Amino acid sequence: GENVEQHPSTLSVQEGDSAVIKCTYSDSASNYFPWYKQELGKRPQLIIDIRSNVGEKKDQRIAVTLNKTAKHFSLHITETQPEDSAVYFCAATGNGQNFVFGPGTRLSVLP
Amino acid sequence: ETGVTQTPRHLVMGMTNKKSLKCEQHLGHNAMYWYKQSAKKPLELMFVYSLEERVENNSVPSRFSPECPNSSHLFLHLHTLQPEDSALYLCASSQGLATDTQYFGPGTRLTVL
Repeated sequence: GENVEQHPSTLSVQEGDSAVIKCTYSDSASNYFPWYKQELGKRPQLIIDIRSNVGEKKDQRIAVTLNKTAKHFSLHITETQPEDSAVYFCAATGNGQNFVFGPGTRLSVLP
Repeated sequence: ETGVTQTPRHLVMGMTNKKSLKCEQHLGHNAMYWYKQSAKKPLELMFVYSLEERVENNSVPSRFSPECPNSSHLFLHLHTLQPEDSALYLCASSQGLATDTQYFGPGTRLTVL
C-alpha cells in the first residue's frame, strides 16, 4: 500500500519569509496529491491540490510542485503571515485507493 | 463550514458506556469517511462508505461499529472503549472515492475515562 512521509515535522519562519514542506510517496500509481491546512481546534481544509498530469500549480502565495519520477511533491508558501501558522498535511491517492495522509508539519510564523 | 456537521462536538464517557457519534453531510456526496486524529498518529483512516456500502475497514477494533443508513448520514457506535481511544474523531465526505476532494467535519473530541 501507499506510504507517505512528510518533512519537516516542525518549521518556524519569520513573517515574510518562505516556507517549504516536502512529502514523498511510495506508490507510483498515486495520481492525486492534496494539501490540507488545520488551524488549532479547527477541521482540516483543502488549500491546494495537484494531479499527476501537471508539474506545478499556484494559487496566490501558495504553490505545489510534483516530481513523479522521484515520487515527491512540495508545498511552497511565500510571504508568510501569522495566519499561515497551522499544521499542514499532505496526502497521496490514486484510482481505487483511499487517501493516505502524511504525519503533518507544524508551521509557526513568527512576527 | 456547514457542509459537514458532527455531533456531539465533545464527549466524555466511561469504559462501560455505549455512545454514538453522528455525521451529516449536506453536499450531495456519495462517499463518507471516519478518521481518528491523535497526537501519536495523525489522521488514521478508520472506515469508508461509498453509496452506503462499506468499502474499507482498516483493522479497526470491533468496539467501533460504523453505520451508514443513507448517503447523507454516518454514525460511529462506541462501546467498551479504552482510554487510548481518546482522540478527535473526524468525519469527511467526497463526491466519489479516491481522487475527489474530501471535506471534513469539525470533529468530536472524545475522552474515555
